[in-house]
Amino acid sequence: EAQVTQNPRYLITVTGKKLTVTCSQNMNHEYMSWYRQDPGLGLRQIYYSMNVEVTDKGDVPEGYKVSRKEKRNFPLILESPSPNQTSLYFCASRQGPSPLHFGNGTRLTVT
Amino acid sequence: GENVEQHPSTLSVQEGDSAVIKCTYSDSASNYFPWYKQELGKRPQLIIDIRSNVGEKKDQRIAVTLNKTAKHFSLHITETQPEDSAVYFCAASTSGGSYIPTFGRGTSLIVHP
Repeated sequence: EAQVTQNPRYLITVTGKKLTVTCSQNMNHEYMSWYRQDPGLGLRQIYYSMNVEVTDKGDVPEGYKVSRKEKRNFPLILESPSPNQTSLYFCASRQGPSPLHFGNGTRLTVT
Repeated sequence: GENVEQHPSTLSVQEGDSAVIKCTYSDSASNYFPWYKQELGKRPQLIIDIRSNVGEKKDQRIAVTLNKTAKHFSLHITETQPEDSAVYFCAASTSGGSYIPTFGRGTSLIVHP
């Protein structure tokens, strides 16, 4: 089944403790992206990648890192999480001018 | 860069009524306009999309219209049902921008039985 898989689905952590949210797609898509969703603000892009070893900042990249060492994986790294990074995170992928395929989301709480 | 405005932020209708959600965009080069539906606790999923070479597209009870001159596009849902209750997002993108979408802030549609 074609899908985008994110893990974990839920994560509660403390300020400053490094964490990684994984994202993997099995559709051989070149484009992958991370979004955060907050009430009233919609979907805001954090980082995106057009292909392996190519990453670019989105609209809200501060406090986040990404890497794209393999085509299928695009992990999101928070090296020193803060409470304002509490949010719902979505990974997405697509190929060419086509719709995004979203993962099931990761709800992160930073205390 | 592209800016997408979406209205209304909340829309409440009675079952069987029609619902219309409107989006405007700023970049006249935008040429791909998808709409996503996000049910409570779930991921956004594409429900319909339109490209700039057509003015309207229908899929059963859902239709999207595009006015390139005015730079706005709309989602129309007829004969609404309770299962249409969700948050709807519009987006705009352009080939020159590698089709990276800019999203509207979303519309929460509530369909009352």
